[in-house]
Amino acid sequence: KNQVEQSPQSLIILEGKNCTLQCNYTVSPFSNLRWYKQDTGRGPVSLTIMTFSENTKSNGRYTATLDADTKQSSLHITASQLSDSASYICVVASGGGADGLTFGKGTHLIIQP
Amino acid sequence: DADVTQTPRNRITKTGKRIMLECSQTKGHDRMYWYRQDPGLGLRLIYYSFDVKDINKGEISDGYSVSRQAQAKFSLSLESAIPNQTALYFCATSKTSYNEQFFGPGTRLTVL
Repeated sequence: KNQVEQSPQSLIILEGKNCTLQCNYTVSPFSNLRWYKQDTGRGPVSLTIMTFSENTKSNGRYTATLDADTKQSSLHITASQLSDSASYICVVASGGGADGLTFGKGTHLIIQP
Repeated sequence: DADVTQTPRNRITKTGKRIMLECSQTKGHDRMYWYRQDPGLGLRLIYYSFDVKDINKGEISDGYSVSRQAQAKFSLSLESAIPNQTALYFCATSKTSYNEQFFGPGTRLTVL
């Protein structure tokens, strides 16, 4: 069964600090991996989407990495801001079809001033 | 204006009532999806549609039905609402299955 596991479940850091969120997956075949940011009570918004051949992708202070051999991805947030407080969801797509998307349960990140 | 809109944004109803949640998009995407989100469970797929004539059940379709009235409109119905359908509901669209999804703002549904 395809699975996406995210860690930690929740994280609290001080404003200005860096952090890294993890995503491990057992999805086959692999098409791409996405990171979404979801503010409380709002819809998820795409941060990055990475294919098999991409091992790093940045979007401002967000940098995602992908190791397709070990089936691991990370999302690194640099110089965190209060507005980074949100849930971060890892999604892995496998070979087409809506049921080819496997969602992680998310990491809830809180940035404290 | 938002690319994906949902109405209503909040709804409180009673057990046994029929409820319709509506989704509209201006992105011109053929693919539309309905998800529900519960605390600790993440997003789960209810129904999806690849075009007006193609509708498919997702992981948790029991108790729900959908209608794709046009490329831009996809509605979710709860024929007889029950309390465990209390959740946050999201509509999403995508260009293809390989592209990112664009989510609406969500509908918070409470069934008493």
